[in-house]
Amino acid sequence: QVQLRESGPGLVKPSGTLSLSCTVSGGSITNYYWSWIRQPAGTGLEWLGRVFSTGTTSYNPSLKGRVTMSLDTSKNNFSLRLSSLTAADTAVYYCARDLGRFGELPPKYALGVWGQGIMVTVSS
Amino acid sequence: EVVLTQSPGTLSLSPGERVTLSCRASQSVSSSYLAWYQQKPGQAPRLLIYGASSRATGIPDRFSGSGSGTDFTLTISRLEPEDFAVYYCQQYGSSPPYSFGQGTKLEIK
Repeated sequence: QVQLRESGPGLVKPSGTLSLSCTVSGGSITNYYWSWIRQPAGTGLEWLGRVFSTGTTSYNPSLKGRVTMSLDTSKNNFSLRLSSLTAADTAVYYCARDLGRFGELPPKYALGVWGQGIMVTVSS
Repeated sequence: EVVLTQSPGTLSLSPGERVTLSCRASQSVSSSYLAWYQQKPGQAPRLLIYGASSRATGIPDRFSGSGSGTDFTLTISRLEPEDFAVYYCQQYGSSPPYSFGQGTKLEIK
């Protein structure tokens, strides 16, 4: 049973850079898409972007070039970097894996496995 | 960008009742790309439905999804106490960003 766990600082300063990692256990990082999603307190979910196991990325344009995602197949983890932070970036951040493996038929387009989430506060 | 609008925002119902939640897309979405999630307080979302109508592993058959084009629905045939939560739809597979609806909260009447 694959499990995901986010790690990183709980408090970051305005204008700084947030770095989060998601460790994958119980399964391989290869041949899947890996996403980051966030949720400000009391509001809905925002998809931030995803990275494929080859390193190919796709980001939410709303983040305006502030986001970078990468992965490390040797460590079986993937990462999020978000720069130029403001209070609006305060949220619970989740990592997630696609339900289906790339190329699997029929395809299964959804986020099937989620981490527990990590609360990140942007404040001086 | 595809915008998903869920309605209603909040529903107050009793256990045993049947409920239908709506998710409307601002442009046509392939059924393959429409998913539904359940989120309880303090927990991560859990996948219920993918491909508009396929239940994820372990999801009870009282949950069903349907729809096509711009209109999708999630139906819970008979509400159990553990079903009171927030439900989100998401389009995942058309062009990014893979947006979520704003959510529908099911609360106990």
